[in-house]
Amino acid sequence: AQSVTQLDSQVPVFEEAPVELRCNYSSSVSVYLFWYVQYPNQGLQLLLKYLSGSTLVKGINGFEAEFNKSQTSFHLRKPSVHISDTAEYFCAVLNTGFQKLVFGTGTRLLVSP
Amino acid sequence: DAGVIQSPRHEVTEMGQEVTLRCKPISGHNSLFWYRQTMMRGLELLIYFNNNVPIDDSGMPEDRFSAKMPNASFSTLKIQPSEPRDSAVYFCASSLYEINEQFFGPGTRLTVL
Repeated sequence: AQSVTQLDSQVPVFEEAPVELRCNYSSSVSVYLFWYVQYPNQGLQLLLKYLSGSTLVKGINGFEAEFNKSQTSFHLRKPSVHISDTAEYFCAVLNTGFQKLVFGTGTRLLVSP
Repeated sequence: DAGVIQSPRHEVTEMGQEVTLRCKPISGHNSLFWYRQTMMRGLELLIYFNNNVPIDDSGMPEDRFSAKMPNASFSTLKIQPSEPRDSAVYFCASSLYEINEQFFGPGTRLTVL
């Protein structure tokens, strides 16, 4: 069975600073990888996804992530964060051929002025 | 498109009462998912449907929980009888099977007193 680890429960950062949110997964088969964002009192919104092809994936709001198969990682990055990026970020994995998304525990990004 | 619609957005009820949560998926989507989110357990998949047929209900916590999808545009999640430990935010999501990306509704915040 696959699993997802987000080691950082909370990441504080100053506005305009770069940020990296870490995600590691485990799976014995090929996977698809996703990052979702959840703003307060809202549902989850897809930031970006890796299905195949280029390992560097660009998403909405200036976020990007890199799939590293050897390290089984899919870290999320943004070169310069805004106050509005304050939210909970979830990494998720999906075994190819299946539909059950497995989510990490989430990382709360706190951007301060 | 209006996105995934859930109702009610908030529900407060007393222990022992029946609770019904409703979901309207995005038109044309053929897969529907019910999730529960709590601080303690994070995001959990309860059940999902393909073409209105339940595929995997292994995440349903116990017999008090039941879900139906009578047609492609409507699904319900019922809890009977409800208990305080059922208090959580319940999300519905839909997707096109072939694309894998899940679109989430705004959620229903359930409080059982």
